[in-house]
Amino acid sequence: EAQVTQNPRYLITVTGKKLTVTCSQNMNHEYMSWYRQDPGLGLRQIYYSMNVEVTDKGDVPEGYKVSRKEKRNFPLILESPSPNQTSLYFCASSLSPLAGGPAYNEQFFGPGTRLTVL
Amino acid sequence: GQNIDQPTEMTATEGAIVQINCTYQTSGFNGLFWYQQHAGEAPTFLSYNVLDGLEEKGRFSSFLSRSKGYSYLLLKELQMKDSASYLCALPGTYKYIFGTGTRLKVLA
Repeated sequence: EAQVTQNPRYLITVTGKKLTVTCSQNMNHEYMSWYRQDPGLGLRQIYYSMNVEVTDKGDVPEGYKVSRKEKRNFPLILESPSPNQTSLYFCASSLSPLAGGPAYNEQFFGPGTRLTVL
Repeated sequence: GQNIDQPTEMTATEGAIVQINCTYQTSGFNGLFWYQQHAGEAPTFLSYNVLDGLEEKGRFSSFLSRSKGYSYLLLKELQMKDSASYLCALPGTYKYIFGTGTRLKVLA
């Protein structure tokens, strides 16, 4: 089954304790992205990756790191989590946004990770 | 820059038709996406418009007017399962901007 998986699905942690949220896709997609979703603010892009070893900042990258060592995996790292990073996080993947000409490709989203930082 | 506006909430009755609007401003247009998101779940793709006009997919249709910076999602024969948030999104070259979403409540 084609899917994007995230782990953990739920996490409660304390300020300053480093954590990693994993994301994996089995669709051989080049493009992967992390979003956070907060009430009233919608989905905001944290980081994205165009392909292996190619990553760039989205609109809200502060406090986050990512890596893309393999095509299928795109972990999100919070080196020193703070309460303002309490949020619902989604990983997404798609074929390269520019593949196939002017039409963009839909993103497939993981099930989400609900993070609470105390 | 890019900016998207959507109504926050709408209510409609089962069996009715509802239109969810999205207005946007962008310096470079690469099409517009609509996603559906049920509470607590991941967004799922509904439609993508890059040319002006109406695209129909079963009970759902999406319209785009590039000159007006305007799109709408039309849902016909509403069902209770259509209660969800509907997100409008603009792709940049590699970045994506999402609207805050419209929460649709379908009443029996």
